[in-house]
Amino acid sequence: QVQLVQSGAEVKKSGASVKVSCKASGYTFTTYYMHWVRQAPGQGLEWMGIINPSDGSTGNPQKFQGRVTMTRDTSTSTVYMELSSLRSEDTAVYYCAREGGRWQGDYWGQGTLVTVSS
Amino acid sequence: QSALTQPASVSGSPGQSITISCTGTSSDVATYNYVSWYQQHPGKAPKLMIYDVTNRPSGVSNRFSGSKSGNTASLTISGLQAEDEADYYCSSYTSSTTLVFGTGTKVTVL
Repeated sequence: QVQLVQSGAEVKKSGASVKVSCKASGYTFTTYYMHWVRQAPGQGLEWMGIINPSDGSTGNPQKFQGRVTMTRDTSTSTVYMELSSLRSEDTAVYYCAREGGRWQGDYWGQGTLVTVSS
Repeated sequence: QSALTQPASVSGSPGQSITISCTGTSSDVATYNYVSWYQQHPGKAPKLMIYDVTNRPSGVSNRFSGSKSGNTASLTISGLQAEDEADYYCSSYTSSTTLVFGTGTKVTVL
């Protein structure tokens, strides 16, 4: 069965960086793209970008360009999302979601809470 | 890219049908059939309920159905049940090769 298991909660200071991992199992890792989505407390879902685990190519919206780095390790079937220059408004739950083939997330990780404090 | 517009809340009694709208633009919903719907219970990850406007993933109840007209997509829940009480989000592929989510709708079962 498909599983996406994310790393644990993080507390960071403003200006620092955070790196969240998402380990995939139950399918061929390089066959499916992976999305990153975040959700601030009490707010809606926000798309952060997508990575192709096969070649490492990425795409993300202008809002996050220059601040988000997505990478992958095919030897461990893990994708990573690093967010730099953290500010209080980056406090959110961060999710990875497998791209089901037509721009939908068919399987989701359990989420990783990142808290940014000043 | 602005979020797709959804009503903040929709409510209905058990057994009734409700419909949630998702309004976009010519750059997303109106042009592409890559519209999806997600259900999210408190403290849980979103769950895919509808993809490609009308398709249900395996295991999703047929009480959930999707449609689209112009720049507005809709999710209908028929035979409303207590377990349907949750937040619902739509999403769409965009002409900028990005994904945009809706503002979210809280469904309350009275």
